[in-house]
Amino acid sequence: QQQVKQSPQSLIVQKGGISIINCAYENTAFDYFPWYQQFPGKGPALLIAIRPDVSEKKEGRFTISFNKSAKQFSLHIMDSQPGDSATYFCAASSSGNTPLVFGKGTRLSVIA
Amino acid sequence: EAQVTQNPRYLITVTGKKLTVTCSQNMNHEYMSWYRQDPGLGLRQIYYSMNVEVTDKGDVPEGYKVSRKEKRNFPLILESPSPNQTSLYFCASSPRGYEQYFGPGTRLTVT
Repeated sequence: QQQVKQSPQSLIVQKGGISIINCAYENTAFDYFPWYQQFPGKGPALLIAIRPDVSEKKEGRFTISFNKSAKQFSLHIMDSQPGDSATYFCAASSSGNTPLVFGKGTRLSVIA
Repeated sequence: EAQVTQNPRYLITVTGKKLTVTCSQNMNHEYMSWYRQDPGLGLRQIYYSMNVEVTDKGDVPEGYKVSRKEKRNFPLILESPSPNQTSLYFCASSPRGYEQYFGPGTRLTVT
């Protein structure tokens, strides 16, 4: 069964701290790993994505780390801000022609 | 403005009364899909469509129907809604299944 397991379910981080969300997958055919950010009352929006040919991708304060051998990837949010408080979903798909499989989400709260 | 639109945004209905949630995108995307979002369960795909007249079941298709007669539209049909279909529904589109653009959501309550 194609699954993406995401942890933790919820996370509270102090302002300025590092938020880390982890995902694990089983299907070795997955070759696209995006993270989506969802604010209350809004639809999810693509935050950052990585392919397995690189081990890390950074965009501003957001970094994806990818470990192909362990079949794990994670999102790091550096210098976390209250405006980062949202629900984050990891996902995976194979060759863009199969549906995205989403993790169950992590609710992040950044407190001042 | 490039966007995915859904209507209605909020709907309260009764068990068994057929309803349709419309979805439209103006980005000429081939790929469209429907998800439901429930607390603790994340986003679960209901149906998806790779192109006009091509649809396929997702993870939770029971109780739902879709059609893709035009590239821009992908309506979700509930023939006989039941209370367990009370949920937040999202339509999404993509140029080829990679980055998905989500609509604003439709909150459905079935009593």
